[in-house]
Amino acid sequence: NAGVTQTPKFQVLKTGQSMTLQCAQDMNHEYMSWYRQDPGMGLRLIHYSVGAGITDQGEVPNGYNVSRSTTEDFPLRLLSAAPSQTSVYFCASSPDVSGGRETQYFGPGTRLLVL
Amino acid sequence: GQQVMQIPQYQHVQEGEDFTTYCNSSTTLSNIQWYKQRPGGHPVFLIQLVKSGEVKKQKRLTFQFGEAKKNSSLHITATQTTDVGTYFCAGHGGSQGNLIFGKGTKLSVKP
Repeated sequence: NAGVTQTPKFQVLKTGQSMTLQCAQDMNHEYMSWYRQDPGMGLRLIHYSVGAGITDQGEVPNGYNVSRSTTEDFPLRLLSAAPSQTSVYFCASSPDVSGGRETQYFGPGTRLLVL
Repeated sequence: GQQVMQIPQYQHVQEGEDFTTYCNSSTTLSNIQWYKQRPGGHPVFLIQLVKSGEVKKQKRLTFQFGEAKKNSSLHITATQTTDVGTYFCAGHGGSQGNLIFGKGTKLSVKP
């Protein structure tokens, strides 16, 4: 049981490049989410999903796309990276589809630097 | 929209001193969760409070949920260097609302 896994751990991009941050969980959780963490800003919700085929926007969705084709995977896509997207990205999953009544299990994070 | 404020932003203590972080919501919460993030790590769930006035303890950590379910606190007695990290509260408004995280309190402990 690996929990929530994220790849890559570190990434450097140039402005305008695209990339996909991978997230997978093996706990059969319906709820998955992506957060970004910036100094002094806490954790801000980017996108979330309450099950395969269902996604919705969080607090800071601009510049990011997501899809949920399986229960296990929830990739986050940056279509055209900008320096403002330099951050640490965390994926999380929860057994509660509301996303707030049960433990959120976080992945180890991806540290992204956009030059 | 729902907001969760957390203070202080930073706290520096001498080992053995107590530490408290406070969390306030602009709206009534259905439940509140607390997480700890070690330096360079990811947030790890500590506890969830659901009932009005609830108090829960985990060894030297005491968690409280206010009577009005709009505020919460985490108190650490006799801090140790292993307590270093950032502590986040996260409030849930109920129904289909997502968790709203506070900005966290970064605790440093001087040995």
